Amino acid sequence: DSGVTQTPKHLITATGQRVTLRCSPRSGDLSVYWYQQSLDQGLQFLIQYYNGEERAKGNILERFSAQQFPDLHSELNLSSLELGDSALYFCASSAPGETEAFFGQGTRLTVV
Amino acid sequence: DAKTTQPPSMDCAEGRAANLPCNHSTISGNEYVYWYRQIHSQGPQYIIHGLKNNETNEMASLIITEDRKSSTLILPHATLRDTAVYYCIVPAPPPTGGFKTIFGAGTRLFVKA
Repeated sequence: DSGVTQTPKHLITATGQRVTLRCSPRSGDLSVYWYQQSLDQGLQFLIQYYNGEERAKGNILERFSAQQFPDLHSELNLSSLELGDSALYFCASSAPGETEAFFGQGTRLTVV
Repeated sequence: DAKTTQPPSMDCAEGRAANLPCNHSTISGNEYVYWYRQIHSQGPQYIIHGLKNNETNEMASLIITEDRKSSTLILPHATLRDTAVYYCIVPAPPPTGGFKTIFGAGTRLFVKA
């Protein structure tokens, strides 16, 4: 158990819909990272938050957004969903100083 | 972030050492090498990281060459449960760095009975 919690584990939704994925980082970790992993693909970095503020952006679509709340949990919002958004979405967290990052077990999103 | 190159797949007999290589010839002096693994579709699991000295923990050993342009992850006694995709990454260091890196395809290790 990495200490990073993601909910829900599975999500099935229709095209055009909007979903919210949630991540609770390890206690004391200030950085939260979001990644997308499509079928048989590597992990693509989406976005990073550090202590409530956006720190870095990867190839995140405009239809996607994220935020980190005062209690440090983070949410990834995906809107106007398309079939191609079906993927595993992982959250990771790391401590101040950004040494090793620890990953949650992911949310499997299926868009039908 | 330094680019890394890994073989796409490797086989290893159960009980033998698995040696997974990684090239990172563009690594900078203050960049660490990290290894993760991903078993099936689970979340990537941190294994080990190092800067220039060899490192060992309960999971594995990391051997980094003196010029730091390559490294080898060693699983001393591979088991069937070590079958996974192994990622070698070199994220840029703080404050501009962090794990905003693409993990790449990694090495798919098959441990065979």
